[in-house]
Amino acid sequence: EVHLVESGGGSVQPGGSLRLSCAASGFTFSRNWMHWVRQAPGKGLVWVSRINTDGSYTNYADFVRGRFTISRDNAKNTLFLQMNGLSAEDTAIYYCATNRDHSFEYWGQGTLVTASS
Amino acid sequence: QSALTQPASVSGSPGQSITISCTGTSSDVGGYNYVSWYQHHPGKAPRLMIYDVTNRPSGVSNHFSGSKSGNTASLTISGLQAEDEADYYCASYTSSSTLVFGTGTKVTVL
Repeated sequence: EVHLVESGGGSVQPGGSLRLSCAASGFTFSRNWMHWVRQAPGKGLVWVSRINTDGSYTNYADFVRGRFTISRDNAKNTLFLQMNGLSAEDTAIYYCATNRDHSFEYWGQGTLVTASS
Repeated sequence: QSALTQPASVSGSPGQSITISCTGTSSDVGGYNYVSWYQHHPGKAPRLMIYDVTNRPSGVSNHFSGSKSGNTASLTISGLQAEDEADYYCASYTSSSTLVFGTGTKVTVL
């Protein structure tokens, strides 16, 4: 059974940084592209970033490019999202998800990030 | 990249069929057969219901179906059930090599 568990969320002051992790199990992590998706309170789902199987290719939504960095450690079956320069607009639940033909097949339960003074 | 356009809400009685539209442009929905649909119950992880416009993952009921015409994709729920009440989102691959979600539709079972 596929299992994705996000961690690393929490409260941070505007301008601060957080590093999210997504621990994967139940499938061959190193063979799957992976995504980060977020949902702000009361708002819809928004795609954030994706990474290929070996980490050599990454994509970002315009609103995070230059501030967020996606990476992975295939030896530890873990996906990361380094978030710098956080603002109130980045407050959201952050989900990791596996890729299937440019769709999001399996999802974690999410981790809440709150940027507030 | 602007979000794809979905109706804010759709409702139906048990047993009825409803259709949710998802309108984009030729740079996303109309340009690729990479439209997917997600069911999201608040507080839970979203669930993939349809991928590649029409395909259902294993375990998804066949009363969910997807289609596309031009720049608009659609999700049809036939034989509406109480447990289908949820938020539904479409998503598409784009010409910028990114992905974009729809604005979301709240489905209410009357």
